[in-house]
Amino acid sequence: SQQGEEDPQALSIQEGENATMNCSYKTSINNLQWYRQNSGRGLVHLILIRSNEREKHSGRLRVTLDTSKKSSSLLITASRAADTASYFCATDATGGAQKLVFGQGTRLTINP
Amino acid sequence: DTAVSQTPKYLVTQMGNDKSIKCEQNLGHDTMYWYKQDSKKFLKIMFSYNNKELIINETVPNRFSPKSPDKAHLNLHINSLELGDSAVYFCASRKSGGGRNEQFFGPGTRLTVL
Repeated sequence: SQQGEEDPQALSIQEGENATMNCSYKTSINNLQWYRQNSGRGLVHLILIRSNEREKHSGRLRVTLDTSKKSSSLLITASRAADTASYFCATDATGGAQKLVFGQGTRLTINP
Repeated sequence: DTAVSQTPKYLVTQMGNDKSIKCEQNLGHDTMYWYKQDSKKFLKIMFSYNNKELIINETVPNRFSPKSPDKAHLNLHINSLELGDSAVYFCASRKSGGGRNEQFFGPGTRLTVL
């Protein structure tokens, strides 16, 4: 069953603005990851946040995790045209299944 | 270059045919996956192998049969192809243990069944 759900499904902003994407999930997790997919390409890992972490930064990326609300957000600051892509959250659920469950993604378009 | 590679990149075939997709990783990982991404971009896991052993087998028709000849390779054979099999299939790999589950994806194989 689909676990992660991203919101919004599509987002269009001007270059230089910040972009925020949200993800909700349903079960207990070990960690939550965000991936980027450029058109016609495979997914690329961006950042991982563990269940005992609340916030993590990597360059222009900021990820938050609220396990009580079972939600996460990805913030991209000072967006660039090259950030145009689909962004997916993926949850690594507890229970040792060793699999990621992906949301359906947010399509981000950065307008120059 | 170190990477996860897939062949072919595009595959167009008729309904009822049998086809295979191949995946290779030279990252030294011990776990490999097949995912299916549908037209709405929803990405769903199909299979996973760890050290050549099948560890995840989601609800997938038995027309799909994965094979892992060694830790670096995971192939996917599909029998009696149907229109609904049209999708992009991604291979991925990871190194188990260490408390992380970061996966590395191949470029995808776009399968079109006519």
